[in-house]
Amino acid sequence: RKEVEQDPGPFNVPEGATVAFNCTYSNSASQSFFWYRQDCRKEPKLLMSVYSSGNEDGRFTAQLNRASQYISLLIRDSKLSDSATYLCVVNIYNFNKFYFGSGTKLNVKP
Amino acid sequence: DGGITQSPKYLFRKEGQNVTLSCEQNLNHDAMYWYRQDPGQGLRLIYYSQIVNDFQKGDIAEGYSVSREKKESFPLTVTSAQKNPTAFYLCASSENRGVGELFFGEGSRLTVL
Repeated sequence: RKEVEQDPGPFNVPEGATVAFNCTYSNSASQSFFWYRQDCRKEPKLLMSVYSSGNEDGRFTAQLNRASQYISLLIRDSKLSDSATYLCVVNIYNFNKFYFGSGTKLNVKP
Repeated sequence: DGGITQSPKYLFRKEGQNVTLSCEQNLNHDAMYWYRQDPGQGLRLIYYSQIVNDFQKGDIAEGYSVSREKKESFPLTVTSAQKNPTAFYLCASSENRGVGELFFGEGSRLTVL
């Protein structure tokens, strides 16, 4: 079983739509959670960290549910520039390793 | 500016040749990582190091080797034993014990001819 699982998509949405991605993790010892964005043939870049109480950054909202072991990312008012692959990442302190989901591809269309 | 520098950006090699990918960071991070990414797939951990002169195998270490002689440097050698080395290689670093996020270099794209 993979440590982190994501729906690969693609999610094809029109501009202005709201889209949500979910990610599940298997290790309850996971302690840090992140969403990264990766553009085609580029390195991943941090989109936002995910905190237990949930957090928001502009049009992006991240939620963590420790009991169910899942993380979500909500994007409101989608822009063409949001088209990318979104990677869910968890870190387990004891092993100091970061585990990546395979990514969810988002296509925002005019 | 602090960051991670990988070189070369593009590399072509013939079968049977070893190649070394460079990774240098000036973020003063203790932990460094090498990942491999194949088209349409996620990142897979090759090796990681939490401290100078120490490193551990990741999930796909066979056919690769690393060294960590200096805090700022973590080169990866792709040996001839790696059966399918064509891939996008990403170096990353983080503060010790995984506190905080991963920072990535721009990657090295290796093609075996």
